[in-house]
Amino acid sequence: SQQGEEDPQALSIQEGENATMNCSYKTSINNLQWYRQNSGRGLVHLILIRSNEREKHSGRLRVTLDTSKKSSSLLITASRAADTASYFCATASLGIGGGADGLTFGKGTHLIIQP
Amino acid sequence: EAGVTQSPTHLIKTRGQQATLRCSPISGHTSVYWYQQALGLGLQFLLWYDEGEERNRGNFPPRFSGRQFPNYSSELNVNALELEDSALYLCASRTGDYSNQPQHFGDGTRLSIL
Repeated sequence: SQQGEEDPQALSIQEGENATMNCSYKTSINNLQWYRQNSGRGLVHLILIRSNEREKHSGRLRVTLDTSKKSSSLLITASRAADTASYFCATASLGIGGGADGLTFGKGTHLIIQP
Repeated sequence: EAGVTQSPTHLIKTRGQQATLRCSPISGHTSVYWYQQALGLGLQFLLWYDEGEERNRGNFPPRFSGRQFPNYSSELNVNALELEDSALYLCASRTGDYSNQPQHFGDGTRLSIL
């Protein structure tokens, strides 16, 4: 079953603008991860945020996590045409191994950067 | 460092046949995961192997099975193929350390059932 729900389902912006994607989930988590997928290829790991963290940065990426609202956001600043892709949030739930189980993915946000 | 590799890239089968998909994890990673990405259904967890043992499986019928070899590579077998098995099958690997570590994905095998 899909736990994460990304919002919006699709987003089209101009190059140079910032893109914000949101993710909501339902159960308690160990960590939340964001992935990018280009045209049906494999997933590229972007960033992992642990349940006891509120914000994390990596280059042009900024992720926030609000466990009280069971939600996360991914901000891509100064977008580039190469950022065009689908973005997925995935949650690792608490359990045996502390989150080593299979990830639960949302349906993704399709981001298009117009040059 | 080589990433996760999957073979074949594409696989075409007919209904009722059996398919075998292969995955080599990143060197040093002991956990291997399999996911199915079918049109309209999104990414769904299939199987998790660690240290040669099946640790957990998702909500899939028993005709989806696999194994992990002593070198930590893995096979996914799908028996009695059905049309709805057409999907991109993704393999991921992770270090066996049970702290918060990301999964790293291969480029997938696209399985088409005719």
